[in-house]
Amino acid sequence: KAGVTQTPRYLIKTRGQQVTLSCSPISGHRSVSWYQQTPGQGLQFLFEYFSETQRNKGNFPGRFSGRQFSNSRSEMNVSTLELGDSALYLCASSTLGQNYGYTFGSGTRLTVV
Amino acid sequence: AQRVTQPEKLLSVFKGAPVELKCNYSYSGSPELFWYVQYSRQRLQLLLRHISRESIKGFTADLNKGETSFHLKKPFAQEEDSAMYYCAPHSGGGADGLTFGKGTHLIIQP
Repeated sequence: KAGVTQTPRYLIKTRGQQVTLSCSPISGHRSVSWYQQTPGQGLQFLFEYFSETQRNKGNFPGRFSGRQFSNSRSEMNVSTLELGDSALYLCASSTLGQNYGYTFGSGTRLTVV
Repeated sequence: AQRVTQPEKLLSVFKGAPVELKCNYSYSGSPELFWYVQYSRQRLQLLLRHISRESIKGFTADLNKGETSFHLKKPFAQEEDSAMYYCAPHSGGGADGLTFGKGTHLIIQP
């Protein structure tokens, strides 16, 4: 079956702009979570959605937001982009039970100039 | 706060030698524990989970609740094991999602 699909793969944005990233989970997976990966901070949790509801949120400013649709697809939005937002953004999906682990997408590489 | 420590940023061993990647965690409650791996130019993927008591690609992980450690081991390293390895506890209903360690870059020398 198809894996976790993230679009676009690469993005270049200017400071102050906003950006929307998309994630399509594995069919049947209702939990979607987002992570930011940078060389300095590593992998940091952004938020997790289940059945269109945000269940958990990491320690990121309010400029970072997300949502999940009824088909479990998820989007994350970053407003008023800063240079420090340049990172690889990873999406992961999971079944209801977290004990099964998460399946990750290839990520969206965001560069803010 | 939840914290995961992988003390070695880089670990280099020779092919055929034993490998141990260390992970210590500070976590409230009883988290479920995972190891994830990222091979060069590939996506992050689940290697193994504690609850399954499984051995994947020759790797096993031992949970020591007293020491709050979850070290990853393999008796005989192979060159294809070279990758970034991340330890990741998950509390399920907590606010942290998966908490990843900084990762250990494992290099297997021929």
